[in-house]
Amino acid sequence: DIVMTQSPDSLAVSLGERATINCKSSQNVFYSSTNKSYLAWYQQKAGQPPKLLIYWASTRESGVPDRFSGSGSGTDFTLTISSLQAEDVAVYYCQQYYTNPQVTFGGGTKVEIK
Amino acid sequence: EVQLVESGGGLVKPGGSLRLSCETSGFTFSHAWMSWVRQAPGKGLEWVGRIKSKIDGGTSDYAAPVQGRFSISRDDSKNTLYLHMSSLKIDDTAVYYCASLGRDQRISPLRPFDWLSFWGQGIQVTVSS
Repeated sequence: DIVMTQSPDSLAVSLGERATINCKSSQNVFYSSTNKSYLAWYQQKAGQPPKLLIYWASTRESGVPDRFSGSGSGTDFTLTISSLQAEDVAVYYCQQYYTNPQVTFGGGTKVEIK
Repeated sequence: EVQLVESGGGLVKPGGSLRLSCETSGFTFSHAWMSWVRQAPGKGLEWVGRIKSKIDGGTSDYAAPVQGRFSISRDDSKNTLYLHMSSLKIDDTAVYYCASLGRDQRISPLRPFDWLSFWGQGIQVTVSS
């Protein structure tokens, strides 16, 4: 199985400041035939199900605010919240879907307000 | 509006069985590939299994910890997904989510990809004596 490792486990950021979450896969999740990295990001607020934010490592899901952006390729990926809002407090998960159907998730990163 | 609503959870003894349902609306369920994902208390997300649409074969796949004990089925006439769980263990205690796989017509018009676009609210399953 591909192991997804997120860092940090948690971070506290001031309102309006940038939050950066890292995700590393134990093997390459870039598929040359599609020229895509098979990496998604989710947001899970307390007591709610996960919500898809980004797929193909950098494509924002419809309706997701543009302060959320994804980057990276191969094995190293980043989710950036450019200007943290109060409603962004949540746990964020990365997921690889390269080895479908056996997808795997990172351990999560908790984002709080400083 | 897409909706997925799980039901059927509860408290069950180790070794027992349970069937979860996921009633869907707002999209063409018969074309959708669907997954179950679980989340143990205070833990992260764990993929449980996936079922293809009938037109794509209707086959299912499972994570190693549940292989042989869980099975996924679907009733397209009822727009409903099921998770049949047997020989339940204490480690199966979790919130179980159903979710639909994503599509990108630009990359592949024929099959979905395994990111999870829409999720249900989740249903608690507790395995305890």
